[in-house]
Amino acid sequence: GQNIDQPTEMTATEGAIVQINCTYQTSGFNGLFWYQQHAGEAPTFLSYNVLDGLEEKGRFSSFLSRSKGYSYLLLKELQMKDSASYLCAVVDSNYQLIWGAGTKLIIKP
Amino acid sequence: NAGVTQTPKFRVLKTGQSMTLLCAQDMNHEYMYWYRQDPGMGLRLIHYSVGEGTTAKGEVPDGYNVSRLKKQNFLLGLESAAPSQTSVYFCASSPRTHWDGANVLTFGAGSRLTVL
Repeated sequence: GQNIDQPTEMTATEGAIVQINCTYQTSGFNGLFWYQQHAGEAPTFLSYNVLDGLEEKGRFSSFLSRSKGYSYLLLKELQMKDSASYLCAVVDSNYQLIWGAGTKLIIKP
Repeated sequence: NAGVTQTPKFRVLKTGQSMTLLCAQDMNHEYMYWYRQDPGMGLRLIHYSVGEGTTAKGEVPDGYNVSRLKKQNFLLGLESAAPSQTSVYFCASSPRTHWDGANVLTFGAGSRLTVL
């Protein structure tokens, strides 16, 4: 079967750094997405990785290791508005998107 | 700059009733999708469409029907609602299905459906 694992919930402090992990076992791999979803809102695209390594976009970075079936999203200089759920999705060998259940990130002042 | 618009945002149904969720996109995207989102689970694909007049089953199609008579619209129907269909439904669209950093899903704001 195909499986995406993410922690259910994480708590961090405003101004700090947090790393949200995603591990996957899928039939093939053709890329990995991270989406942000504020409560009651639509998911919005954050990042895409298909090659190993780190992709940086301002305060957000995403890392991929294909050999380990592992990715993480790194959020720096946390702001209250970063309180949201973060969804990991893997593109399998059939170019289907397989979604994790999401990680709810709570930011405390 | 509307993007993807879903109506209604909220609906309460009784078991056995029928209803239709409407999705409209103004980005001229070929591909459209209906997902459901349930607590503790990832987004699950119900049905999708690769172009006007076409539809296909996703991961959890039972109990739902769809139609795409116009390129910009994708309708999701529940013929006889069941409590198991209580969920948040998201419509999404994309220019194509070869996923990469430039081809991503654009989601609507969601429709929260409760079936009593």
